[in-house]
Amino acid sequence: QKEVEQNSGPLSVPEGAIASLNCTYSDRVSQSFFWYRQYSGKSPELIMSIYSNGDKEDGRFTAQLNKASQYVSLLIRDSQPSDSATYLCAPLANQAGTALIFGKGTTLSVSS
Amino acid sequence: DAGVIQSPRHEVTEMGQEVTLRCKLISGHNSLFWYRQTMMRGLELLIYFNNNVPIDDSGMPEDRFSAKMPNASFSTLKIQPSEPRDSAVYFCASSGQITGELFFGEGSRLTVL
Repeated sequence: QKEVEQNSGPLSVPEGAIASLNCTYSDRVSQSFFWYRQYSGKSPELIMSIYSNGDKEDGRFTAQLNKASQYVSLLIRDSQPSDSATYLCAPLANQAGTALIFGKGTTLSVSS
Repeated sequence: DAGVIQSPRHEVTEMGQEVTLRCKLISGHNSLFWYRQTMMRGLELLIYFNNNVPIDDSGMPEDRFSAKMPNASFSTLKIQPSEPRDSAVYFCASSGQITGELFFGEGSRLTVL
């Protein structure tokens, strides 16, 4: 059974701080990860994808992947109140290259 | 381009009634996913199709749930008979094959009384 584990939070950080979101997975076949952001009452939207070990940076966001430890994280630098949302991680799980299994998400609250 | 379109956005029904949720894919996408989201269980995959063919329906809760994809751009998820525990937000998502990104519709919020 493939599983994705995330701390549900809420994770509270002050504006301007670094928010660190973590995710572990049980399926050794997973080769890539996606991070989705979901605002309250809205649908999930993709913010980051990472395909190889190491770091991938996109603006204020950095995704880190360690396949040996089956661990992926998302760092948000200079957190803003607009970053307040639930962050879902999802492993690639099929040959089509599409995320299928999501963690329950970590709720981030950034206070101004 | 229009995104994934779901209808209805909200549905309130009584236990035992049939519920049909509808989804229109983004033009050119060939994979279609139905998810259900609740506070307790998070975002659960129910079923997905590739090129109109159901690939994995292991997430469908029970025989009361059925999904069809009669053509390349449209899908339905039917619950018959509905039960209060089916209350959730049902998302449809589509994907092309290049980036693997899932594009979600706005969801259908179902309440079964």
